[in-house]
Amino acid sequence: EVQLVESGGGLVQPGGSLKLSCAASGFTFSGSAMHWVRQASGKGLEWVGRIRSKANSYATAYAASVKGRFTISRDDSKNTAYLQMNSLKTEDTAVYYCTRSLGGYCSGGSCYSWFDPWGQGTLVTVSS
Amino acid sequence: SSELTQDPAVSVALGQTVRITCQGDSLRSYYASWYQQKPGQAPVLVIYGKNNRPSGIPDRFSGSSSGNTASLTITGAQAEDEADYYCNSRDSSGNPLFGGGTKLTVL
Repeated sequence: EVQLVESGGGLVQPGGSLKLSCAASGFTFSGSAMHWVRQASGKGLEWVGRIRSKANSYATAYAASVKGRFTISRDDSKNTAYLQMNSLKTEDTAVYYCTRSLGGYCSGGSCYSWFDPWGQGTLVTVSS
Repeated sequence: SSELTQDPAVSVALGQTVRITCQGDSLRSYYASWYQQKPGQAPVLVIYGKNNRPSGIPDRFSGSSSGNTASLTITGAQAEDEADYYCNSRDSSGNPLFGGGTKLTVL
């Protein structure tokens, strides 16, 4: 079964740090790009960032809202991706999901990719 | 612009057909993917590419695209289809971008 399991969420004070983990199973993790997506309570989905595979130089990209504060890494030997969050703000409070991206295909002049599967999410609360 | 616009809420009578739309410039060159999210649960992929359904997604779900608009159609909506639906494409930097979501109510 293809599965992602996040862990590491919790309560942290503003300005603090937290590291989330995403353990993968059931697919070739080392060849997959992994993303983090968050969702504040009652709000929509917000892409946080991604890390590509070794074949793509472990390239990372981040949303403007977290760039310079968050770092995504991975350990292919452990089939795990990480999200290191520093200088946390109250507005970072959200459920954080990890997900795998697939595709990157082009057909008929249009390109496409998709996210599947998604983990169950882990709640991060930034509050004093 | 780097935005994907969805109607905040849509309703449909049980057994009827409903279309959920997503508008954005990136959709002219990038097919949307669609995700269903029920309360307290993680998103689930329902449509990707031109009109592809993952294994396990009922064939009443279909996708289409025209110009800057992508659509998710549910033909014969069921009570269990009541959920939030999100489209996804790319922003001007090529990074993933989600629409604001549409809350579907099945009456």
